[in-house]
Amino acid sequence: NAGVTQTPKFQVLKTGQSMTLQCAQDMNHNSMYWYRQDPGMGLRLIYYSASEGTTDKGEVPNGYNVSRLNKREFSLRLESAAPSQTSVYFCASSVEAGNTIYFGEGSWLTVV
Amino acid sequence: DQQVKQNSPSLSVQEGRISILNCDYTNSMFDYFLWYKKYPAEGPTFLISISSIKDKNEDGRFTVFLNKSAKHLSLHIVPSQPGDSAVYFCAATTNFGNEKLTFGTGTRLTIIP
Repeated sequence: NAGVTQTPKFQVLKTGQSMTLQCAQDMNHNSMYWYRQDPGMGLRLIYYSASEGTTDKGEVPNGYNVSRLNKREFSLRLESAAPSQTSVYFCASSVEAGNTIYFGEGSWLTVV
Repeated sequence: DQQVKQNSPSLSVQEGRISILNCDYTNSMFDYFLWYKKYPAEGPTFLISISSIKDKNEDGRFTVFLNKSAKHLSLHIVPSQPGDSAVYFCAATTNFGNEKLTFGTGTRLTIIP
């Protein structure tokens, strides 16, 4: 039972480079999310998609873009990476808004 | 502005004893609260939740207490086991059905054998 799968697990980028974090869920969930975790900051919501075809900004959206490609997939793009974007990124999904959120295993991103 | 606060970054408890993790919130509109557990190099996993219409919810060794007047909730684990060693995040949301969870900064629980 795969649940929420995100790739890559580890990535090192140079400042200014771009990259896309991929996320897929196989639980037929409607809502999907991207969070980042930083030391002493907890988990902060970057973007979310309440349902296929919709996306909304979370708490810390600057520097990121998202695409809800279909019901299963929700990608996060960094157009021009900055050292401040060094973090652990978690994709998550839920049946619908307000239900329990299930997280992927995380993607460790370092921007040098 | 940290709306959900976990003021203890770490906690150590002897195996078999009770672990109590605390969480405070400032937004009086929050009406649904959750606890997540996170092991190193893994994503957070849902542990237990409580809605504002209750003041207690129990699931096996885990009990969450909610004190709305104090804007405080706590997670009790009894008896504590070595496998409970992890980081625990408290989270809250408004208007049950709102998709935005606000997380606390986490408490690292270490169970001492």
